[in-house]
Amino acid sequence: DVKVTQSSRYLVKRTGEKVFLECVQDMDHENMFWYRQDPGLGLRLIYFSYDVKMKEKGDIPEGYSVSREKKERFSLILESASTNQTSMYLCASTGTGGGNEQFFGPGTRLTVL
Amino acid sequence: GQQLNQSPQSMFIQEGEDVSMNCTSSSIFNTWLWYKQDPGEGPVLLIALYKAGELTSNGRLTAQFGITRKDSFLNISASIPSDVGIYFCAGPPAGGADGLTFGKGTHLIIQP
Repeated sequence: DVKVTQSSRYLVKRTGEKVFLECVQDMDHENMFWYRQDPGLGLRLIYFSYDVKMKEKGDIPEGYSVSREKKERFSLILESASTNQTSMYLCASTGTGGGNEQFFGPGTRLTVL
Repeated sequence: GQQLNQSPQSMFIQEGEDVSMNCTSSSIFNTWLWYKQDPGEGPVLLIALYKAGELTSNGRLTAQFGITRKDSFLNISASIPSDVGIYFCAGPPAGGADGLTFGKGTHLIIQP
């Protein structure tokens, strides 16, 4: 079974802090994604990556950056956290040549005070 | 970006009832995916559809890929308490860039 893990289930940070959210997948997937999920807005794509050291902006990249130094790990970085970044963050991965099915981690619920 | 219109937003049903929800788009989709999300967890893939007209079942769940490639529906038969959760449709739009577009979800609530 595909397993996608995220470093924290719950996180509380203060405004202005630098925040790292880590995601690891164990299926040698090339593609990894970061979404945020907010009530009434559904899942929105922040950034994605097709390969190591490669990154592409999604629909809402402002205020975020990412890092992919190893194939299995994709990090989301909030350079200076703000209260409007309080949200549920979901990481997903998928392999190439498949049917676009994405496999999700359990999510990190981030609260910025 | 692309949008998926998912309905209904929420459903209040009795245990044992059948459930039906659907998703429509103004754009063509090559794949339709249905996910379920339990509270505090990430979405879990239920059914994947790859061809227009395809009808696929997974236990009590049945999903269909619309002939026009612009819609899909999910049925749940004989609902049970563990069916409670949020159901999302998703897909990569044809000719679209990357990642999935998600519907806003159908929140299923089962009354005892």
